Amino acid sequence: GAVVSQHPSWVICKSGTSVKIECRSLDFQATTMFWYRQFPKQSLMLMATSNEGSKATYEQGVEKDKFLINHASLTLSTLTVTSAHPEDSSFYICSASGPMNTGELFFGEGSRLTVL
Amino acid sequence: QQQVKQSPQSLIVQKGGISIINCAYENTAFDYFPWYQQFPGKGPALLIAIRPDVSEKKEGRFTISFNKSAKQFSLHIMDSQPGDSATYFCAATDGTSGSRLTFGEGTQLTVNP
Repeated sequence: GAVVSQHPSWVICKSGTSVKIECRSLDFQATTMFWYRQFPKQSLMLMATSNEGSKATYEQGVEKDKFLINHASLTLSTLTVTSAHPEDSSFYICSASGPMNTGELFFGEGSRLTVL
Repeated sequence: QQQVKQSPQSLIVQKGGISIINCAYENTAFDYFPWYQQFPGKGPALLIAIRPDVSEKKEGRFTISFNKSAKQFSLHIMDSQPGDSATYFCAATDGTSGSRLTFGEGTQLTVNP
């Protein structure tokens, strides 16, 4: 199946700094990518939908200025957590629509963010 | 109407037994129902998926049963193995949402040796 790579897999940062997480589709072009947040023992919460070449669509309650999403190419979307605080510590996961537009989603391995 | 309800929250099964996880949905526009398996610290991986035109799909030890009239679907894991211990999520989407999935709450499966 299609491969989605996420980097870094884990990151620790100080409160007030910004952190960038990359999501790449390795062997296909993804016009749409999704960013999720997952707390321990909970389900995936959709944060935003990222479309190549246009502004991301954020879910209700997600701060656009806090979680900056850029989808500059058909294989790369980035999530930047700006001015991170301890409450932003979480597991962030990206996914991409598969090349056959069947509704199938391929997920990255996730990025564990810990804000001290 | 966008919710997908999943049960049970946790499940313990003996090796060789059958694990059954159930999901129910409200949105009749949903037309794609995948199941994902997630191990700790990893992203979800697609396990098996079904569309409403069939009532059952089987892939190896994994079977999805789909009841369109009841708006329910379930995952059956036959001959459950300790390596199947993971969190399982059902999900649903419709053809107009560009793969925007609605996830169930998840089921933590433990298969005892």
